[in-house]
Amino acid sequence: QVQLHQWGAGLLKPSETLSLTCAVYGGSISGFYWGWIRQSPTLGLEWIGQIDQSGSTNYNPALRSRVTMSVETSKNQFSLTLRSVTAADTGVYYCARLWSAEGRYVATYWGQGTLVTVSS
Amino acid sequence: IQMTQSPSSISASVGDRITITCRASLGIGRWLAWYQQKPGKVPNLLMYAAYTLQSGVPSRFSASGSGTDFTLTISSLQPEDSATYFCQQTNTFPLTFGGGTKVEIK
Repeated sequence: QVQLHQWGAGLLKPSETLSLTCAVYGGSISGFYWGWIRQSPTLGLEWIGQIDQSGSTNYNPALRSRVTMSVETSKNQFSLTLRSVTAADTGVYYCARLWSAEGRYVATYWGQGTLVTVSS
Repeated sequence: IQMTQSPSSISASVGDRITITCRASLGIGRWLAWYQQKPGKVPNLLMYAAYTLQSGVPSRFSASGSGTDFTLTISSLQPEDSATYFCQQTNTFPLTFGGGTKVEIK
């Protein structure tokens, strides 16, 4: 059974950098795409982006200038960095394993979520 | 692509048939997924490619549609179906979600 466990700082000040890491258990990080999704009362669910085991990425254009995703296959982990956060970045951040049907991606396994609050 | 769900909430009795609608601002073929999210839990994939049931999902859930208009139907509502349901278009990056439909049991 695939499980994703994520961690990172939950309280940030404006202009700081959000960093989250997701570890994959019960399966290999190779052969799949891995994504980050966030959820807030104001914006609902928002797809941040995705990365595969080779490091190939696809970011949401709305966040592209501030986002970096990386993968560390030796540790079976992948990470999200979001720079220059503001209060609008407050929400629950999820990591997810993606599954592709003819190149279209859905999230089939999810991390437990990390509540990130941006406040001065 | 903007995804619009309706209604935003629905209250129905056990055994009722309910339908949730999702409309895309542009045509997305059959590339729509549905998720169920219970309070305090992560979203759970119900359907993908418009009408394909994810493994383990009860058969009372069904979906249909193509292009811009899609529906999710629960044929006989059960107490454990109380949740918020989200649609997601998977056709075009950035992938986008609907605002959700909260289903409550009377």
